Amino acid sequence: AQTVTQSQPEMSVQEAETVTLSCTYDTSESDYYLFWYKQPPSRQMILVIRQEAYKQQNATENRFSVNFQKAAKSFSLKISDSQLGDAAMYFCAYRSPNDMRFGAGTRLTVKP
Amino acid sequence: DAGITQSPRHKVTETGTPVTLRCHQTENHRYMYWYRQDPGHGLRLIHYSYGVKDTDKGEVSDGYSVSRSKTEDFLLTLESATSSQTSVYFCAISQTGEGYEQYFGPGTRLTVT
Repeated sequence: AQTVTQSQPEMSVQEAETVTLSCTYDTSESDYYLFWYKQPPSRQMILVIRQEAYKQQNATENRFSVNFQKAAKSFSLKISDSQLGDAAMYFCAYRSPNDMRFGAGTRLTVKP
Repeated sequence: DAGITQSPRHKVTETGTPVTLRCHQTENHRYMYWYRQDPGHGLRLIHYSYGVKDTDKGEVSDGYSVSRSKTEDFLLTLESATSSQTSVYFCAISQTGEGYEQYFGPGTRLTVT
């Protein structure tokens, strides 16, 4: 079965600084998608960024970017110029045609 | 925001009683999903549906059943609730295929005493 591992239960960053959240996954599939979701205290799940496994180029969405290393099965999220509103739980997720797996999450604290 | 509602939003029930959670969408999306969220586990897929009356099991389907008689409604039933099913339950929808974003409902907090 596919697994998704987030090795950092908690992370902290100073406002305006950069932070990187780690995610590794295990799969034997060649066709899959990877996602980062944000869950603020409101509990709403919000898509941050998406990466197609067949694309070599790393996805970017404004201040959010990923470092996708397919051979290493690594999918880290970089948040630049961190803002107080970025404080939340962040979940890495893997999706293939018949499976959807989430990591256990990383709680990000942003210090003013 | 995607038009997804879940009812009830909170429920407390006793062990052994049946419970049904409802997910309703107004987006006409084909796929619907039920997840549970527990500390230390992230979200885990319970069941999903890829069309009316078409459903399949997810990672943690034991003790749960689902039904989808209309495109817009996806029901999750706990036939005989147990304390281990105390959790936050999320419904999600997506247009089609694994590459499309899933939109999540607001969640239902279920407590089984």
